[in-house]
Amino acid sequence: KAGVTQTPRYLIKTRGQQVTLSCSPISGHRSVSWYQQTPGQGLQFLFEYFSETQRNKGNFPGRFSGRQFSNSRSEMNVSTLELGDSALYLCASSKGTGPGNTIYFGEGSWLTVV
Amino acid sequence: AQKVTQAQTEISVVEKEDVTLDCVYETRDTTYYLFWYKQPPSGELVFLIRRNSFDEQNEISGRYSWNFQKSTSSFNFTITASQVVDSAVYFCALSEAGSGAGSYQLTFGKGTKLSVIP
Repeated sequence: KAGVTQTPRYLIKTRGQQVTLSCSPISGHRSVSWYQQTPGQGLQFLFEYFSETQRNKGNFPGRFSGRQFSNSRSEMNVSTLELGDSALYLCASSKGTGPGNTIYFGEGSWLTVV
Repeated sequence: AQKVTQAQTEISVVEKEDVTLDCVYETRDTTYYLFWYKQPPSGELVFLIRRNSFDEQNEISGRYSWNFQKSTSSFNFTITASQVVDSAVYFCALSEAGSGAGSYQLTFGKGTKLSVIP
């Protein structure tokens, strides 16, 4: 079956702009989470959504937001982009929420802020 | 607070050699889950294994094996007879049952970059 799908795969934005990234989870998966990966900080948890509700949020400023739709698709948005937001953004899905579930990741969206 | 340490930043081995990737974790929970993921250059994190804190049995899957030892808080990963296709960054991750509000997040180590030289 299809894996986690993320769009766009690559994008370049200018400082101050905003960006929206999309994620389609594995069919039947209701939990979607987002992670940011940078060379300096590694992989860091952004937030998790389950049944259209944000269940948990990592230590990121309010410029980072997300949402989940009734079909479990998710989007994340970063406003007022900064150079430090350049990163690989990974979306992941699992059947349910809670640590007993295995999380499956997509290929990510590579964001470059210039 | 939970923490995962992968002390080996980069490892290079010659094809067919065995290699072990180390992972040490810290947690105050008695119930937790440990994971290994593989990240090839494409970026996708590929799930390899999940272990819960109550299951200390070692696991073998083909050329891959995992050694979980609660006494030393370690969850090491061994690749036997390495192949060029094993070249990737490998991440160890931890999730605690008490993450809060029934939610779910992984804490990752910094990763180990494995290069298998033909």
